[in-house]
Amino acid sequence: DAGVTQSPTHLIKTRGQQVTLRCSPKSGHDTVSWYQQALGQGPQFIFQYYEEEERQRGNFPDRFSGHQFPNYSSELNVNALLLGDSALYLCASSPRREREGWQFFGPGTRLTVL
Amino acid sequence: AQSVTQLDSHVSVSEGTPVLLRCNYSSSYSPSLFWYVQHPNKGLQLLLKYTSAATLVKGINGFEAEFKKSETSFHLTKPSAHMSDAAEYFCVVSDFADKLIFGTGTRLQVFP
Repeated sequence: DAGVTQSPTHLIKTRGQQVTLRCSPKSGHDTVSWYQQALGQGPQFIFQYYEEEERQRGNFPDRFSGHQFPNYSSELNVNALLLGDSALYLCASSPRREREGWQFFGPGTRLTVL
Repeated sequence: AQSVTQLDSHVSVSEGTPVLLRCNYSSSYSPSLFWYVQHPNKGLQLLLKYTSAATLVKGINGFEAEFKKSETSFHLTKPSAHMSDAAEYFCVVSDFADKLIFGTGTRLQVFP
């Protein structure tokens, strides 16, 4: 079992560009959450997907959007990139049926906006 | 609303001495609480979880945490630190809809 995988590992973009990050959940997990971790801070919740729908959203602007596919994999899209979007983006997966709250994290995608 | 407060941003210990990382929580109902560890350039790993069962929770790598409702605390401990324990530790609370709310983190340094 490969666990949660994310791609790419690193990404460099310039202001105003758009970016797509990808995530494959751990086998048997059907819920995917995305978090943003700025340097020196704890992760902040962006949104969560289950059954291909956004179920919850954190305090992030509409420039952040996502998608979940039938195989439970997910994408995070960020439009009109700002310097402040530079961060580690973490994907986490969990099995909806357990509802104990814990989530299994991937290694993250490091996004740098110049 | 749920929140967690990690009382120390940095903790330094010598190898072989006890570790104590402090966390207080705020929740309007019985919370689910977790400790995660993040090693440099790596993802977050679940150390242990409390989900209203036993108040003393045992995790991986010899870590434990005790849920104290009267003190609204969930401190992480380990009897004897190893060099490999040096990392960033996050206290986390889950809201009713499974959104994880992270503390600001405690950086643990272990000296030989």
